[in-house]
Amino acid sequence: KNQVEQSPQSLIILEGKNCTLQCNYTVSPFSNLRWYKQDTGRGPVSLTIMTFSENTKSNGRYTATLDADTKQSSLHITASQLSDSASYICVVRLSGNTPLVFGKGTRLSVIA
Amino acid sequence: NAGVTQTPKFRILKIGQSMTLQCAQDMNHNYMYWYRQDPGMGLKLIYYSVGAGITDKGEVPNGYNVSRSTTEDFPLRLELAAPSQTSVYFCASSRGTEDFYTIYFGEGSWLTVV
Repeated sequence: KNQVEQSPQSLIILEGKNCTLQCNYTVSPFSNLRWYKQDTGRGPVSLTIMTFSENTKSNGRYTATLDADTKQSSLHITASQLSDSASYICVVRLSGNTPLVFGKGTRLSVIA
Repeated sequence: NAGVTQTPKFRILKIGQSMTLQCAQDMNHNYMYWYRQDPGMGLKLIYYSVGAGITDKGEVPNGYNVSRSTTEDFPLRLELAAPSQTSVYFCASSRGTEDFYTIYFGEGSWLTVV
């Protein structure tokens, strides 16, 4: 069964600190991997998209890495801000005409 | 650009009632999608469309219907609502295939069936 597993389930950090969120996937064959940010009560917003041949991509203070050999991705947030409090969702796109596979998300809370 | 607009934001239905969730996008995107998000779970695809007049089932289509008469609009119809359909529904769109393009989501519609 295709799966996308994210860890930790939730995380609390102090404002200004860095953090790293993990995503492990078992889906194959693999086309691309995305990270989305979902604020409470809002729709997901795209942060990064990486194909299997890319191993890092940045979007401001967000940096995603991908190791296609170990089927792991991480999202690193630098100098966290209160507005970073949200759920971060890892999404994998299989090759072919199949739906995206969404992880359950990591709930990040940034506190002052 | 409003992006993807969904209505209503909140709705309470009684078991057996029917309703339509409206979705419109103003980005001239060919692809449109309906997802549901249950508490603590990942989003699941209900239906999708690759262009006007073309729709196809996703992972969890039972109890739903869609139509795509125009590029802009992609309504989701719930027939004979059941408590299992209590969820948050997200409409989304993309310029092209999910292989290459960013998917833009609406703000969500919270549906409770009692």
